[in-house]
Amino acid sequence: QVQLVESGGGVVPPGRSLKLSCAASGFTFKISPMHWVRQAPGKGLEWVSFISYDGTAQHYGDSVRGRLSISRDNSKNRLYLQMDSLILEDTAVYYCVRDGVRGSLDLWGQGTLVTVTS
Amino acid sequence: SYVLIQPPSVSVAPGQTARITCGGPNIGSNSVHWYQQRPGRAPLLVMFDDGARPSGIPERFSVSNSGNTASLTISRAEAGDEADYYCQMWDSGSARRVFGGGTKLTVL
Repeated sequence: QVQLVESGGGVVPPGRSLKLSCAASGFTFKISPMHWVRQAPGKGLEWVSFISYDGTAQHYGDSVRGRLSISRDNSKNRLYLQMDSLILEDTAVYYCVRDGVRGSLDLWGQGTLVTVTS
Repeated sequence: SYVLIQPPSVSVAPGQTARITCGGPNIGSNSVHWYQQRPGRAPLLVMFDDGARPSGIPERFSVSNSGNTASLTISRAEAGDEADYYCQMWDSGSARRVFGGGTKLTVL
């Protein structure tokens, strides 16, 4: 079954860290560029980060650059998002997403909720 | 950075045609894809930039893109089409993806 399953979300106070994980199955993960996209409660979609198929290139949105770090382990079919110095505005559902043709995002996980609260 | 503008809401009667727009400077020169998000669910790619539909998406869905406006058209609207719809483009100068603010489609 082709799917992405996120885990690692939770409730954390501001300034703390959290690491999200995404397990990929049913497709060739090692050749697939990947993204993280987030959605704050009641808000729209916000692109967070991209990683190339081999992990050599990463890109970040302006609001997270320097605090969030994307990585992957192709031997485990896993994508990660290390979240440091969390702020209230990082509260959102975080989706693991596969890169598709011509810049599309063709496969989404179910999402994992991160709540930053004091 | 590039901004995509969508109307917050669109209403359509069952069986009629809904059109959801996505505006941006010279957006017609870019690839724009469309996503459907039902309440409590993850987004789903429903239309590629070139009019191709992922498996399972009905032919009632179509797209256009020219000048400063891209559009998603849903013909013969059904209650099951009620959802939030997002346009998305790729900033090809980087890996950045840009989303519109989303449009809530109501079928009533």
